[in-house]
Amino acid sequence: QKEVEQNSGPLSVPEGAIASLNCTYSDRGSQSFFWYRQYSGKSPELIMSIYSNGDKEDGRFTAQLNKASQYVSLLIRDSQPSDSATYLCALVDNSGYALNFGKGTSLLVTP
Amino acid sequence: NAGVTQTPKFQVLKTGQSMTLQCAQDMNHNSMYWYRQDPGMGLRLIYYSASEGTTDKGEVPNGYNVSRLNKREFSLRLESAAPSQTSVYFCASSHGLVGPGELFFGEGSRLTVL
Repeated sequence: QKEVEQNSGPLSVPEGAIASLNCTYSDRGSQSFFWYRQYSGKSPELIMSIYSNGDKEDGRFTAQLNKASQYVSLLIRDSQPSDSATYLCALVDNSGYALNFGKGTSLLVTP
Repeated sequence: NAGVTQTPKFQVLKTGQSMTLQCAQDMNHNSMYWYRQDPGMGLRLIYYSASEGTTDKGEVPNGYNVSRLNKREFSLRLESAAPSQTSVYFCASSHGLVGPGELFFGEGSRLTVL
């Protein structure tokens, strides 16, 4: 099983600050990575996917991938209280057909 | 467009009872999945179906069976429920053409086994 590690948090940041969420993984051969957001009591929804080393930006979100160091991160700029949620890191599992998820990091953005 | 629909949304069972969770998607996706989510454990894959006619075990398949009834529907059956199966169950689907890609999740089914 490809292990995915995340700090469970909670990570607390003030409104307007940059939130930095990190994820490490065990299999150096992993190629595809995903960040999902899950509000309390709701289902996960995809925020970003990243496949190549470097940064990928989408609005206030930036995903960063460093395959040599085996970590992927998500930066949220200008954090808003509505960003308060659990953020799940995921990668394609050994089957190649499903995703293996980390346990998630809880983010709290305080007004 | 309903996306992924799961039924029931809530269920309480007694130990030893059986039940089936139903899942249907209307996005013409090839792949479908069942995950369970427990506090502090994240999402764990129970079974998946890469395409119509195929099913495979995930990380935690014991105590469950699945059926890919057709391209739209993928059911999860608990034959003899145990308290350890108390969880929130999510069905998901994806195009599955080249790897899983984006997973679209249903709203979840909260199951309590007494």
